[in-house]
Amino acid sequence: DVKVTQSSRYLVKRTGEKVFLECVQDMDHENMFWYRQDPGLGLRLIYFSYDVKMKEKGDIPEGYSVSREKKERFSLILESASTNQTSMYLCASRPGQGWDQPQHFGDGTRLSIL
Amino acid sequence: AQSVTQLDSQVPVFEEAPVELRCNYSSSVSVYLFWYVQYPNQGLQLLLKYLSGSTLVKGINGFEAEFNKSQTSFHLRKPSVHISDTAEYFCAVSAPTGANNLFFGTGTRLTVIP
Repeated sequence: DVKVTQSSRYLVKRTGEKVFLECVQDMDHENMFWYRQDPGLGLRLIYFSYDVKMKEKGDIPEGYSVSREKKERFSLILESASTNQTSMYLCASRPGQGWDQPQHFGDGTRLSIL
Repeated sequence: AQSVTQLDSQVPVFEEAPVELRCNYSSSVSVYLFWYVQYPNQGLQLLLKYLSGSTLVKGINGFEAEFNKSQTSFHLRKPSVHISDTAEYFCAVSAPTGANNLFFGTGTRLTVIP
């Protein structure tokens, strides 16, 4: 079974802090994704990566950046955290060219910015 | 571009009653369709997927969905729900248009009432 592991289940940070959310997958998947989930809005794509050091902006990239130095690890960075970034963050992975394949999700990180 | 509409944001249903969660999509190309479930404080888990072949797809936990191409729908059904089915359900579509090719609906919260 594919395992996608997010480093923290709950995180509390202060406004202005630089925040790192880490995600690791163990199935050698090329594609990795970061979403945020808010009530009534579903899942919105922040960034995705289709290879090491490759990234593409999703629907809501403002205020975020990402890093993918190794194939198994995809990090989401909040450069200067703000209260409107309080949310649930979900990481997912999927094989490359696997558009008929489902994404595999981690358990999420519930981030609170005070 | 693809889009997904889940018409019902919340669906309350009594235990052992049947339920249908509605999903409609729009796309100019052929798509693959997925239903995911999210239990409280967890990530998303695949319930079922439609790739091709029989339009009636069976998934885990007694759920099934029917693909209707003419109505561009992929409704999820269960003949008799349990308390443990209380969760949020997401419909998603995938198209062969690059790595960013999974589009989610806004979710339906199913609440099973004892």
